[in-house]
Amino acid sequence: AQKITQTQPGMFVQEKEAVTLDCTYDTSDPSYGLFWYKQPSSGEMIFLIYQGSYDQQNATEGRYSLNFQKARKSANLVISASQLGDSAMYFCAMREGQYGGATNKLIFGTGTLLAVQP
Amino acid sequence: ETGVTQTPRHLVMGMTNKKSLKCEQHLGHNAMYWYKQSAKKPLELMFVYSLEERVENNSVPSRFSPECPNSSHLFLHLHTLQPEDSALYLCASSQGGGTAARDTQYFGPGTRLTVL
Repeated sequence: AQKITQTQPGMFVQEKEAVTLDCTYDTSDPSYGLFWYKQPSSGEMIFLIYQGSYDQQNATEGRYSLNFQKARKSANLVISASQLGDSAMYFCAMREGQYGGATNKLIFGTGTLLAVQP
Repeated sequence: ETGVTQTPRHLVMGMTNKKSLKCEQHLGHNAMYWYKQSAKKPLELMFVYSLEERVENNSVPSRFSPECPNSSHLFLHLHTLQPEDSALYLCASSQGGGTAARDTQYFGPGTRLTVL
């Protein structure tokens, strides 16, 4: 069965430093997609970055990059040059079937609360 | 309006009330979703609509009744709820249909529901 594990309930990082948020996943499907979302205290889930299981390179989006290690089944999010506005909950999610489908079902982890300190 | 909007943002209701949550997407997407987010739990997928047809119903109690009148609007009708139904209810939309290599779900701001 699909499963997403985020082992860090909470993390602190100093402003302007880099931080890595861990995510491991379990699936028997060779085709899947991995997502990271940010949820500020306002509640909205904001899409950050996507990695497909067949993508040859690690995904990057601005200050966000995904450290994808397929053999280890890990998809860690790296945030470079942290800013105060990065303080939020971060969720890792997985979808089986890289090319989506009618339901596009996402499985979410329990999240990591990141606090950026000045 | 852009993206995905949800109204109301906050809702307090008694167990005997009937209320509805509304979601609207302005992205031209074909699929819409309801999620429930309870404290210290992963997001739970409740319902999925694709091209206005319900394609997934994850064993949700009948006191939650979804409605999708068109591809831009999604409602969640609530009646005789329990205090444990208090949660953040999130709506999302995506292109759907396997038409894109990366079919990302975009979320609304949520409705924070409190059942007394």
